[in-house]
Amino acid sequence: GENVEQHPSTLSVQEGDSAVIKCTYSDSASNYFPWYKQELGKRPQLIIDIRSNVGEKKDQRIAVTLNKTAKHFSLHITETQPEDSAVYFCAANPYTDKLIFGTGTRLQVFP
Amino acid sequence: EAGVTQFPSHSVIEKGQTVTLRCDPISGHDNLYWYRRVMGKEIKFLLHFVKESKQDESGMPNNRFLAERTGGTYSTLKVQPAELEDSGVYFCASSNRGNTEAFFGQGTRLTVV
Repeated sequence: GENVEQHPSTLSVQEGDSAVIKCTYSDSASNYFPWYKQELGKRPQLIIDIRSNVGEKKDQRIAVTLNKTAKHFSLHITETQPEDSAVYFCAANPYTDKLIFGTGTRLQVFP
Repeated sequence: EAGVTQFPSHSVIEKGQTVTLRCDPISGHDNLYWYRRVMGKEIKFLLHFVKESKQDESGMPNNRFLAERTGGTYSTLKVQPAELEDSGVYFCASSNRGNTEAFFGQGTRLTVV
């Protein structure tokens, strides 16, 4: 079955710097890759997603890139702000509707 | 539009007891999922309903876990009898048919002591 690995587990950056979180997946049949953000005490919320027919997608300060050949995808956050502090989860969607998640990255943005 | 709601938000029970978690999906969402996150690990898939039918229950840990979705609306997840390793945060999510975006509830934090 699908397996998703996520790195790093924790990431600390200074406000204004960029943050990059990387994920790899194992099942070449996966075709949908969402990223969820979970703030402390809140529900995971979708922040951006990408499908396998697209290499890159941007939404203001966040972007996701996908390399199907290498089976990895990354989340890029530019000009980080303290409110970006949260746990970020990547996920892959193989042949069914379920999502296979990575282990999460705790991002801390220091003012 | 109301989001996915879960009840209770926290539950502390003793080993051997029974606990029932409830999830109310977004109205009209046919897909309902249960996930669990054990401390520091991934959000792990447990089960997927399409309306009232179990589409995929490959992630259910063992037969101490029973999920139901009567009438295709809300769902319950019962753990009986609970064991220490069942502790974690149980998330419910729902989505529209044909739309992969899943909306999550706030989760139920289950602690088995």
